[in-house]
Amino acid sequence: AQKITQTQPGMFVQEKEAVTLDCTYDTSDQSYGLFWYKQPSSGEMIFLIYQGSYDEQNATEGRYSLNFQKARKSANLVISASQLGDSAMYFCAMRGPPIDKLIFGTGTRLQVFP
Amino acid sequence: DTEVTQTPKHLVMGMTNKKSLKCEQHMGHRAMYWYKQKAKKPPELMFVYSYEKLSINESVPSRFSPECPNSSLLNLHLHALQPEDSALYLCASSPGTSGASETQYFGPGTRLLVL
Repeated sequence: AQKITQTQPGMFVQEKEAVTLDCTYDTSDQSYGLFWYKQPSSGEMIFLIYQGSYDEQNATEGRYSLNFQKARKSANLVISASQLGDSAMYFCAMRGPPIDKLIFGTGTRLQVFP
Repeated sequence: DTEVTQTPKHLVMGMTNKKSLKCEQHMGHRAMYWYKQKAKKPPELMFVYSYEKLSINESVPSRFSPECPNSSLLNLHLHALQPEDSALYLCASSPGTSGASETQYFGPGTRLLVL
């Protein structure tokens, strides 16, 4: 069965610095996808970035990039040039089984300070 | 536009009340989801509707009753809830192709407090 592990309960980063949030996963499937979501204190889950298992290049979306190391089963999120508004909970996730189900990690709370 | 809307934003109800949560999307998505999220925990899947038919029920108690009137709307009817049902309820939608790459887009959630 799919499993997502996020080992950092909390992270601190200074404004304008880069930060890496760790995510490891376990699956026996050859075809799979990994997602990162941001959840501010308001509660909404905001989709950030997606990486497919067959994608040859690491995904990037603006200041977000995904450091995908397939052999190590890791999919770390890198946020460049952190902003105060990046303070939130970040979840790594992948599809089930069942395929419609998102399996989430326990999350990492990121706090950006001036 | 990747917008999913949910009403109400906050809801307080007694254990004998009946209430409903509403979710709407206009992205043409054919799959819609209800998740429950307790404080400091990740979301947990409750129900999935695919093409307006219930496809997954994650052994949710019958006091939660989902309904999908059409492809844009998803309701969650609540009856005789318990205080432990207090949580953030998140609605999500996705295109409905069921591929491993399919992204789910979430609404802002309804914060429910059961007294």
